[in-house]
Amino acid sequence: GNSVTQMEGPVTLSEEAFLTINCTYTATGYPSLFWYVQYPGEGLQLLLKATKADDKGSNKGFEATYRKETTSFHLEKGSVQVSDSAVYFCARSNFGNEKLTFGTGTRLTIIP
Amino acid sequence: EAGVVQSPRYKIIEKKQPVAFWCNPISGHNTLYWYLQNLGQGPELLIRYENEEAVDDSQLPKDRFSAERLKGVDSTLKIQPAELGDSAVYLCASSLVAGGSRDEQFFGPGTRLTVL
Repeated sequence: GNSVTQMEGPVTLSEEAFLTINCTYTATGYPSLFWYVQYPGEGLQLLLKATKADDKGSNKGFEATYRKETTSFHLEKGSVQVSDSAVYFCARSNFGNEKLTFGTGTRLTIIP
Repeated sequence: EAGVVQSPRYKIIEKKQPVAFWCNPISGHNTLYWYLQNLGQGPELLIRYENEEAVDDSQLPKDRFSAERLKGVDSTLKIQPAELGDSAVYLCASSLVAGGSRDEQFFGPGTRLTVL
């Protein structure tokens, strides 16, 4: 079936460090891929998305590229800030925004 | 523009009691989703509505869970009777489906249920 495997956390980095959170997906169909972020005390927010192979989603300095050959959608940021501390979820869906299948989430903590 | 509204934000009940959660989607969004999020896990879909029709309820435990969206706007999710294992966060999301394309899903803040 459809699934998403996400890098386990928690991840702790110093401010201005480079961030990578790994995500791989099952290659059933032609999924759209997403990264959602959940800040403390808030609801899930869409961070970025990509709908086809080789698309790059980007937002707030974060990037992820839809890699069909490796079935991956790794999240990266060149220089993290304390305000990036949150839980990050990788997700996939078929046919646009029908059922979203989420990974288990990665808690990121940035220390000054 | 108001986002997805959920109430209550927190609920504590004893096992075997009933409980209900309410969701008001973003105005104009015709698709509404209920997700269950267990601690340390990603959300899992319980039910998806397009207008007032439940188009995917395959993951809804129908022996104790029920949902409705009578006028195709707000929705209620009910558990009766609640069990200890139902302790989780219940998330509501909405999106606009128009002309074959689907917009992103917008999530509410969730209702955190604790069953004692």
